[in-house]
Amino acid sequence: DVKVTQSSRYLVKRTGEKVFLECVQDMDHENMFWYRQDPGLGLRLIYFSYDVKMKEKGDIPEGYSVSREKKERFSLILESASTNQTSMYLCASSRGAYGGDSGNTIYFGEGSWLTVV
Amino acid sequence: GQQVMQIPQYQHVQEGEDFTTYCNSSTTLSNIQWYKQRPGGHPVFLIQLVKSGEVKKQKRLTFQFGEAKKNSSLHITATQTTDVGTYFCAAASGGSYIPTFGRGTSLIVHP
Repeated sequence: DVKVTQSSRYLVKRTGEKVFLECVQDMDHENMFWYRQDPGLGLRLIYFSYDVKMKEKGDIPEGYSVSREKKERFSLILESASTNQTSMYLCASSRGAYGGDSGNTIYFGEGSWLTVV
Repeated sequence: GQQVMQIPQYQHVQEGEDFTTYCNSSTTLSNIQWYKQRPGGHPVFLIQLVKSGEVKKQKRLTFQFGEAKKNSSLHITATQTTDVGTYFCAAASGGSYIPTFGRGTSLIVHP
């Protein structure tokens, strides 16, 4: 079974702090994603990566950055956390190359609940 | 980006009643996926539809892809309390492998 592991399940951070959310997948997937989930807004894509050191902005990249130094690891960084970034963050992965086979199954981690106070 | 409209946002049913959620796009889709998220859990893949007019079944769940490949539906027959959760569609178009998620339909089943 594919396993996507998010390092922190629950975090409480102060406004202005730098926050790292770590994610690791164990299926050698090329694609990795970070989503944010808020009530009534569904899943919104923050950033995705289709290869090591490659990244693409999603629908809501403002206030976030990402890092993918190794294929299995994709980190989400909040340079200066703000209260409007309080949310549930979901990491995900899928196989396939950019522009290739579409519709690959997306495997999600269990989510990281971030509260910024 | 591509817009995917999913309705309704919430649906309350009595156990044993049927349930349907709909997903609509203004553009032709290359495929559509459906995911289920249990309360407190994470989205889990249910199925993918690729062909025009395709219908797939998983026990009490029936998934349809429209003839024009612009809409899809998920129908649950005789709901059970285990069906509770939020159901998301995720649609891709063109050459993109990055699907756009609908906002989800939360199903509440009353025993």
